[in-house]
Amino acid sequence: ETGVTQSPTHLIKTRGQQVTLRCSSQSGHNTVSWYQQALGQGPQFIFQYYREEENGRGNFPPRFSGLQFPNYSSELNVNALELDDSALYLCASHRTGGTEAFFGQGTRLTVV
Amino acid sequence: GQQLNQSPQSMFIQEGEDVSMNCTSSSIFNTWLWYKQEPGEGPVLLIALYKAGELTSNGRLTAQFGITRKDSFLNISASIPSDVGIYFCADLNAGNMLTFGGGTRLMVKP
Repeated sequence: ETGVTQSPTHLIKTRGQQVTLRCSSQSGHNTVSWYQQALGQGPQFIFQYYREEENGRGNFPPRFSGLQFPNYSSELNVNALELDDSALYLCASHRTGGTEAFFGQGTRLTVV
Repeated sequence: GQQLNQSPQSMFIQEGEDVSMNCTSSSIFNTWLWYKQEPGEGPVLLIALYKAGELTSNGRLTAQFGITRKDSFLNISASIPSDVGIYFCADLNAGNMLTFGGGTRLMVKP
């Protein structure tokens, strides 16, 4: 177990709705990254947060947004859900400058 | 952007056999990471490689950073049923952002 916890584990939403996914990072880790993993593919980087600021972003539209809180936990928000947003959303935490990212078990989002 | 191509896409082997999988890149890498993902879990780091030519072992796993810095391989010796999962190669850039390959799905028959 990595110490990174995500909630909820599974979620079903309707197209057009909004969703918030949550992540508690491992103790002592001040950097959190979010990844989207479509079925049968590798994870794709969405964005990263460090000290409550977005610190890098992948090729995802603005309707994907996030927050990091003073305790380093984080949220991923997705507005105007589309069917293609159905995926496993992974949160990873690590120390700044550390090479090892510890992943949570993910949130399985299904958009219908 | 850079692409990581993993092969094979899937493997179905007998317990006890050795396994080899590889990863190639369209650009030069400074870091190669190998992860394993089991069903219902996030990826877990197996081996990290930082220098061209580096050969690193972790138990029955061995990985090498290619001399050209555009490829890497992962070998698993004497496979066992718990080796089942998806193996990903990944690059770590200066901003600590990971780029993953498409994965190799390993199935082991007891």
